[in-house]
Amino acid sequence: AQSVTQLGSHVSVSEGALVLLRCNYSSSVPPYLFWYVQYPNQGLQLLLKYTSAATLVKGINGFEAEFKKSETSFHLTKPSAHMSDAAEYFCAVDNTGKLIFGQGTTLQVKP
Amino acid sequence: EAGVAQSPRYKIIEKRQSVAFWCNPISGHATLYWYQQILGQGPKLLIQFQNNGVVDDSQLPKDRFSAERLKGVDSTLKIQPAKLEDSAVYLCASSLDREGQWVEQFFGPGTRLTVL
Repeated sequence: AQSVTQLGSHVSVSEGALVLLRCNYSSSVPPYLFWYVQYPNQGLQLLLKYTSAATLVKGINGFEAEFKKSETSFHLTKPSAHMSDAAEYFCAVDNTGKLIFGQGTTLQVKP
Repeated sequence: EAGVAQSPRYKIIEKRQSVAFWCNPISGHATLYWYQQILGQGPKLLIQFQNNGVVDDSQLPKDRFSAERLKGVDSTLKIQPAKLEDSAVYLCASSLDREGQWVEQFFGPGTRLTVL
């Protein structure tokens, strides 16, 4: 069965600092992997996706993620945090036609 | 292009009452999804429609939840009777027909349900 684990329910960084949100997955077959962002009172928006092409995936708003099969990880990074990045971030896996989400990580950006 | 529309945005009811949520997907999207997002958790798929047929409702609590998608466009999700543990945000999403390929799901803003 597929599953996703996001390490850390809350992450706090200073503006301009590196953002690192961790995601590990469990899947019996090569998965499709995703990161979504959810701003307050809004739906989820796709940040980026891995669908078995390049292992380093670039998304919107300067985010990127690297698929590491040996570590079963798909961590999300951004070199320099902006105040507008404060939101909840969800990692998700899909290899059966159904999205399975992690529990989410709330990113706080301090001025 | 208009996004996925949902109403109401907020609803407060007492336990054992009934409630219904409405979703209007993006025009032309054949697939429609309802998710339940409990506070502190990721969204969980409740039901998936392909046009007006059900593809997956394995996680829908069928004793109290029901959903329909008449005419393959709008959809309604109903809870009857509601329990305290149904307090959550109910998200609707839509996508083009998968046809074996990955397709992006577009999410609506959600309906926040509070059951007292």
